[in-house]
Amino acid sequence: EVQLVESGGGLVQPGRSLKLSCAASGFTFSNYYMAWVRQAPKKGLEWVATISTSGSRTYYPDSVKGRFTISRDNAKSSLYLQMNSLKSEDTATYYCAREGPDYWGQGVMVTVSS
Amino acid sequence: DVVMTQTPVSLPVSLGGQASISCRSSQSLVHSNGNTYLHWYLQKPGQSPQLLIYRVSNRFSGVPDRFSGSGSGTDFTLKISRVEPEDLGDYYCLQSTHFPNTFGAGTKLELK
Repeated sequence: EVQLVESGGGLVQPGRSLKLSCAASGFTFSNYYMAWVRQAPKKGLEWVATISTSGSRTYYPDSVKGRFTISRDNAKSSLYLQMNSLKSEDTATYYCAREGPDYWGQGVMVTVSS
Repeated sequence: DVVMTQTPVSLPVSLGGQASISCRSSQSLVHSNGNTYLHWYLQKPGQSPQLLIYRVSNRFSGVPDRFSGSGSGTDFTLKISRVEPEDLGDYYCLQSTHFPNTFGAGTKLELK
């Protein structure tokens, strides 16, 4: 059974950093592109980042480019999202997802507020 | 960026009835490889999104045949027949043909 479990969320002040993690199981992690998708409270879905199987290629929308960094550790079947220079508009539930995306984690809440 | 226009915003339905959701893209979603990367998701209250339909018309594993997707180019439709209580929630379309991936704004399927 495919499982994706996010962690690392919480309350952070504007301008600070936070790193999210996603532990994957139930499939061969290194064979799949992975992504982060977020959802602001009571809002729709927004794609945040994608990473290739080896980690050599990453993709971001303009809204987070230069501030967020997606990475992975295939040996640990883990996906990460380093978020720097956080803004109030980054407040959202962040989902880890397998390419497709077909499977999603349960999400982790990030609140950016002073 | 490709804009995905999803309608209606809210769709009241009766149990056992039929629902239809439209998703239109601001440009063709046909990839240079010939595939069309348009997908449909359902997000039930308090849950993460779940994949229903991938590449226009393919039902994901475990998705009942009450769900069907169709369309081409810029115009796509998700149909739900014989609506059941577990079908209620927010539906989203997603295009992943063009960078960046973009979602529709969502359609709330609710009881009439």
